[in-house]
Amino acid sequence: GQSLEQPSEVTAVEGAIVQINCTYQTSGFYGLSWYQQHDGGAPTFLSYNALDGLEETGRFSSFLSRSDSYGYLLLQELQMKDSASYFCAVRDDKAAGNKLTFGGGTRVLVKP
Amino acid sequence: EAGVTQFPSHSVIEKGQTVTLRCDPISGHDNLYWYRRVMGKEIKFLLHFVKESKQDESGMPNNRFLAERTGGTYSTLKVQPAELEDSGVYFCASSQVWRQSYEQYFGPGTRLTVT
Repeated sequence: GQSLEQPSEVTAVEGAIVQINCTYQTSGFYGLSWYQQHDGGAPTFLSYNALDGLEETGRFSSFLSRSDSYGYLLLQELQMKDSASYFCAVRDDKAAGNKLTFGGGTRVLVKP
Repeated sequence: EAGVTQFPSHSVIEKGQTVTLRCDPISGHDNLYWYRRVMGKEIKFLLHFVKESKQDESGMPNNRFLAERTGGTYSTLKVQPAELEDSGVYFCASSQVWRQSYEQYFGPGTRLTVT
């Protein structure tokens, strides 16, 4: 079967750095995405890695190692508004459909 | 540009009843996906439309679920008859049909409670 593992919860203080790891086992792999979801809201796209390496977008960075089936999302200079759930998701293109297989989500709690 | 919208935002129905969820994708997005998150579990893929055609419905749990996308615009997901295990949040997402269309835009979801 397909599975993505990520920690269930992380707590940190404002200004800190948080790294959310994601390991995956999937039959197809065409890229790793990260989504943010605030309580009751829509999952919002953060980043996408198709090739090995680091992608930086402002305070957020995402890393991928295809040989290790591993990626992470790095949240820097944490702000209170970053309190949310973060999901890693693998793009499965086997059916040419770009459907996503999600991890269980990591709830990030930012404290003052 | 309007985002993906879903209706209703919440629905509470009794076991055995029928419910229809609606999704309006972003205008011009030919890809439309349905996902759901059952309590305490991960978000799971249900099916994918390209315009009005079902591209992949491998995630549909059983024949009580019927999805349509007439005219390639909005989509509906009907559950008939609903069972207790159908409770959860149903998300719709859309994306453009380009080669690098990896970014999916999600709606806020419909929270379905079956009692």
